[in-house]
Amino acid sequence: DIHMTQNPVSLSAFIGDKVTITCRASQDISRYLGWYQQKQGQSPKFLMYYASNLLSGVPSRFSGSGSGTEYSLTITGIQPEDAATYFCQQCYSYPRTFGGGTKLELK
Amino acid sequence: EVQLVETGGGLVQPGRSLKLSCVASGFTFNNYWMSWTRQAPGKGLEWVASITNSGGSTYYPDSVKGRFTISRDNAQNTLYLQMNSLRSEDTATYYCTRDPRGYFDYWGQGVMVTVSS
Repeated sequence: DIHMTQNPVSLSAFIGDKVTITCRASQDISRYLGWYQQKQGQSPKFLMYYASNLLSGVPSRFSGSGSGTEYSLTITGIQPEDAATYFCQQCYSYPRTFGGGTKLELK
Repeated sequence: EVQLVETGGGLVQPGRSLKLSCVASGFTFNNYWMSWTRQAPGKGLEWVASITNSGGSTYYPDSVKGRFTISRDNAQNTLYLQMNSLRSEDTATYYCTRDPRGYFDYWGQGVMVTVSS
């Protein structure tokens, strides 16, 4: 199984800040990585696929990058509605696996 | 608008069975793979099962293989998850998800399953 490690587990930021969440896979996943946002009490929302491709309707302040085993999600200019937990997920192989999540709180 | 509506959750004793359903609308159901993903209270996400658009192939992680069965009725736009031999560690919110190319692009509102005596 491919293990996905996210860091940090939690972070706190001010409105307007730039933050980066990292996701490390236990083996090369060839950019087959997605990012999800889950707000408190809601279902997850799909944000990005193939490491850097934003879904239609997702604000451009979200961006993704990476290759091999190392990936990141960056939010540039945080807005109040970005407070959420973010998960990465690999679809390179079965079983599909998720990172443990990163909780973003606003100061 | 894509909608996925799960039903069938509840409280069940360890060792018993439960069947979840998910009615899909707003897209051509038989064109898409579908999956179930779960989230234990206060925990992360765990993929549970996937099924091809025809229903001809299914996939499971080891944690549920042999106990859970995913199926679909394309005529009724409905996805199912039959859960047998339930354990306390199966307690979670179960989400029905659309599964294009291995990602989960739409999620239902989730249904809670509690396994407890």
